[in-house]
Formats: sequence, structure tokens, C-alpha cells
Amino acid sequence: EVQLVESGGGLVQPGGSLRLSCAASGFTFSSYSMNWVRQAPGKGLEWVSYISSSSSTIYYADSVKGRFTISRDNAKNSLYLQMNSLRAEDTAVYYCASAVIFRPFDYWGQGTLVTVSS
Amino acid sequence: SYVLTQPPSVSVAPGKTARITCGGNNIGSKSVHWYQQKPGQAPVLVIYYDSDRPSGIPERFSGSNSGNTATLTISRVEAGDEADYYCQVWDSSSDPRFGTGTKVTVL
Repeated sequence: EVQLVESGGGLVQPGGSLRLSCAASGFTFSSYSMNWVRQAPGKGLEWVSYISSSSSTIYYADSVKGRFTISRDNAKNSLYLQMNSLRAEDTAVYYCASAVIFRPFDYWGQGTLVTVSS
Repeated sequence: SYVLTQPPSVSVAPGKTARITCGGNNIGSKSVHWYQQKPGQAPVLVIYYDSDRPSGIPERFSGSNSGNTATLTISRVEAGDEADYYCQVWDSSSDPRFGTGTKVTVL
């Protein structure tokens, strides 16, 4: 059974940093491209970042470019999102999700809540 | 940037048909995927490549895409279908876009 389990969310002050993790199991993680997708409270889904299976291709949404860094460790079956210079508008549930470019987001984690507030 | 517009809400009686639209410029030239999200849960893929269903998704869920509108159709609606639904396309290789979302209420 495919499982994606996010962790690392919490309360952080504006301007602060946080590192999210996503532990994968039940599939060959090293063969899958991965993404982070977020959802602000009561709002819709917003794609954040993409990383290819070998980490050779990385993309970011304009809203996080220069502040967030996506990475992965295939030996540990783990995906990461380093979030710096956090703003109130970054408050959201962050999901990790598998998706190759032009294909659907087929597997999703349960999400981890990030709250940016003083 | 590519905008996908959905109606905020759709209400339907049990046993009837719900149709959720997703509007975008020439969306018919793109592949559309649909997700169901129940309160407090992660999204679940219900339709991919316009009209294909993942295993485990009831045949009551179907999709179509043409011109400037894609449509998710839920036939014989059940109480358990009450959820938010999102369409999604890849505008480019680096730009996946989600629709604004539609809340389906079963009366």
C-alpha cells in the first residue's frame, strides 16, 4: 500500500524557517517525481514545487521562488521542503504528492499544517 | 497565467445527476484531471486524462472535455459524494494549475 506521511509542520513567526519532510513507502520512491501542494485554510489547492526522480529537474511556483527549496533523499525514501522567510500567506496545510509532468497527482499524503503568525 | 474557473457550489438531490464544470481557455486541448476532497482529508484522484477512472472509483463518475469547458459528471448521486471537487491541468511542464474548486452538497 502506498503511503506518504508528512511531518515538520507547526507554528512559526513571520520571517522564520521550517523544514517539512515526507516519508514514502509502498512504492519505488526513487522512480517517482514528487511535488508539494498547499491549501490555505478554507481555500483551494495551490501547487508549490516539483522535483524529478533524480533531482535533476526542479520547479517552483512564483509565490515561493527564492524562499523555498525542495530536495529528496532516495536512499531514505524521503522528500523535503525547506521553507525560509516565511510569511503569513504561507499558512496552509502542505501535502506531498506524486506526479510526473503532464500526469495526474495520483498519491497524496495526509498533510501537515504550517501556521505563520506572531 | 492559466485560470481554471469552477462554480463555487452545486446542489443535487440523492439519485440525481451532478455536473461540475471547469472553464479555461481552449481547455479541450489539454488533459484534465479531477480530484475529490472530503473535509479534513487529502484530495483523491477520481478522473484522469479527461475521462479515465482510477481503480476503485465508481462508474458513476465520468468526465468530458471540449472547447473551453471540461465537465465532471456524477450520476446517481449518493450522500457520500458530498465533497469539494477540483479540476487540474498542466499549463506547461512547470506549471500545474488547479481549478477554484466546487462544493457539492447533497440535499
